[in-house]
Amino acid sequence: DIQMTQSPSSLSASVGDRVTITCQASQDISNYLNWYQQKPGKAPKLLIYDASNLETGVPSRFSGSGSGTDFTFTISSLQPEDLATYYCQQYDNLPPYTFGQGTKLEIK
Amino acid sequence: EVLLVESGGGLVQPGRSLRLSCAASGFTFDDYAMHWVRQAPGKGLEWVSGISWNSGNRVYLDSVRGRFTISRDNAKNSLYLQINSLRAEDMALYYCAKGMRPVPAAPFDYWGQGTLVTVSS
Repeated sequence: DIQMTQSPSSLSASVGDRVTITCQASQDISNYLNWYQQKPGKAPKLLIYDASNLETGVPSRFSGSGSGTDFTFTISSLQPEDLATYYCQQYDNLPPYTFGQGTKLEIK
Repeated sequence: EVLLVESGGGLVQPGRSLRLSCAASGFTFDDYAMHWVRQAPGKGLEWVSGISWNSGNRVYLDSVRGRFTISRDNAKNSLYLQINSLRAEDMALYYCAKGMRPVPAAPFDYWGQGTLVTVSS
């Protein structure tokens, strides 16, 4: 199975800060990498798919990059409503379609 | 508007069975694969099972294969998860999620609010 290592596991940042989360796959997954946002008590929401494609309706301050085994998720200017846990997920052809362990983002 | 509404969760004794359902609306159900993803209390997301648009491809997490069965009824716009031989480690909030493509290997673009499965004697 492909393992996803996400870091950091938690971080605290101020409104307006640039925030970066990384995700590393245990083997090459091309660009089959998604990023989800889960706000407290809510269902996950797809933000970025195929490593760098912004889902419809998602603010442009969210972005993703990378391919192969190393991926990055960025919030260019943190907003108060971005308080959430963020997960990466790989969907290489064979299951399981594993998630990273999550990054809990707090607002200072 | 895409809507996914899960039901069927509850308090169940270890070793017993449960059937989860997901009612879908707002999109052409039989054009897309569907999935179940679970989240144990205070833990991260764990993909459990997926099914292709025509039920021809069903995939499972190793730890549930043989105990869980995913199915769908395209005429009823519904997804199901039959859970047998429940274990303590199956206790979680179970989400129904829509895939972006007809095959299971795809991003999950819509999620329901989940149905809680509690395992306790």
